[in-house]
Amino acid sequence: EVQLVQSGAEVKKPGESLKISCKGSGFSFTSYWIGWVRQMPGKGLEWMGIIYPDDSDTRYSPSFQGLVTISADRSISTAYLQWSSLKASDTAMYYCARHGKFSSGKGGLFDSWGQGTLVTVSS
Amino acid sequence: EIVLTQSPGTLSLSPGERATLSCRASQSLSSSYLAWYQQKRGQAPRLLIYGASSRATGIPDRFSGSGSGTDFTLTISTLEPEDFAVYYCQKYGSSQLIFGGGTKVEIK
Repeated sequence: EVQLVQSGAEVKKPGESLKISCKGSGFSFTSYWIGWVRQMPGKGLEWMGIIYPDDSDTRYSPSFQGLVTISADRSISTAYLQWSSLKASDTAMYYCARHGKFSSGKGGLFDSWGQGTLVTVSS
Repeated sequence: EIVLTQSPGTLSLSPGERATLSCRASQSLSSSYLAWYQQKRGQAPRLLIYGASSRATGIPDRFSGSGSGTDFTLTISTLEPEDFAVYYCQKYGSSQLIFGGGTKVEIK
């Protein structure tokens, strides 16, 4: 069974750093892209970026470039999303999801999702 | 940058009725790389439709997608109680992915 299991909810203060994780199982982690999607309270889905764990090729949405860092450790089938200095506006649910290779015609098509990690940033 | 505009913002219908949701792209989408997702309250999104009209694995046939170019439609032929949710369209197929703003289908 394909699974993406995300790390638990976080409560942080403005200015703090944070790294959340997404562990894949039931599929070849290095054969898929892993993406991150933000959902602010009561709002829609925003694509943040993607990483190909096999070679760590990373692409960012222009809206999130420079604001977050996406990384992966292929040896433990885990992708990460990190902030160096959180703001209150980073309060949101963050989802990871996988998609196939662009050459397959399904690049960017998220067919399996994690359960979400709620990040709350408040002083 | 392509923008996806979904309408209406909210659709108020009763179980058993037909739902028609629209997604309009600001530029033509190549090869109909348009997907639809369903998100129920408190849950992660779920892939419903890809390639504008192909149902994902396990999706009931009351869900159907159509359209090409800049205009796409998701139709739910007969609403079941579990279909009341928010629906998002998404452009895929390149490394810059875009979601529409969503349509909420609520019980009338």
